[in-house]
Amino acid sequence: AQSVSQHNHHVILSEAASLELGCNYSYGGTVNLFWYVQYPGQHLQLLLKYFSGDPLVKGIKGFEAEFIKSKFSFNLRKPSVQWSDTAEYFCAVFATGRRALTFGSGTRLQVQP
Amino acid sequence: DAGITQSPRYKITETGRQVTLMCHQTWSHSYMFWYRQDLGHGLRLIYYSAAADITDKGEVPDGYVVSRSKTENFPLTLESATRSQTSVYFCASSERLAGSYNEQFFGPGTRLTVL
Repeated sequence: AQSVSQHNHHVILSEAASLELGCNYSYGGTVNLFWYVQYPGQHLQLLLKYFSGDPLVKGIKGFEAEFIKSKFSFNLRKPSVQWSDTAEYFCAVFATGRRALTFGSGTRLQVQP
Repeated sequence: DAGITQSPRYKITETGRQVTLMCHQTWSHSYMFWYRQDLGHGLRLIYYSAAADITDKGEVPDGYVVSRSKTENFPLTLESATRSQTSVYFCASSERLAGSYNEQFFGPGTRLTVL
């Protein structure tokens, strides 16, 4: 069965530190990839998405992600985090033939001022 | 207001009671989804709908019932609530299932506690 793995469950960083959150998926076919963010007390919002083309995708608020097909990975990065980036981040995969998104278990990011 | 709304936002109920969570979207999206969010599990799909009167089970459908008589509404019913159904429930919608424009838009969630 397809799965999505986020290996970092809880990450604590200081402001201005660089961020990389890992996401790996197990499906071998065509995939659409997403990163969603959930700020405290709020609903999920789309950060960025990959459908095709350039494997380096830029999203909102300075986030980017790189799709590496050979590694089945879609890691999220930000060069310099801010306190306002404190949130939970979810990787999600849609694979052709599937009914809906499959989400990873999430990574809780805490940015300390 | 435009967007996707859920009601109630918070609900406390007792074991065995029937509970209905409402979801309404104003975009006329074809697809609608119900997820539950539990610590350590991320979001898991309960049911989804491709159009009015077309629904299908997701990953964790047991104990839940859905209907979709109108495109804009997708209520989720817990027929006889159990403590294991204590969770945060998110409704989502999307224009398509695959390809471009398949990103899902989420509602604010309903926090359900079953005592």
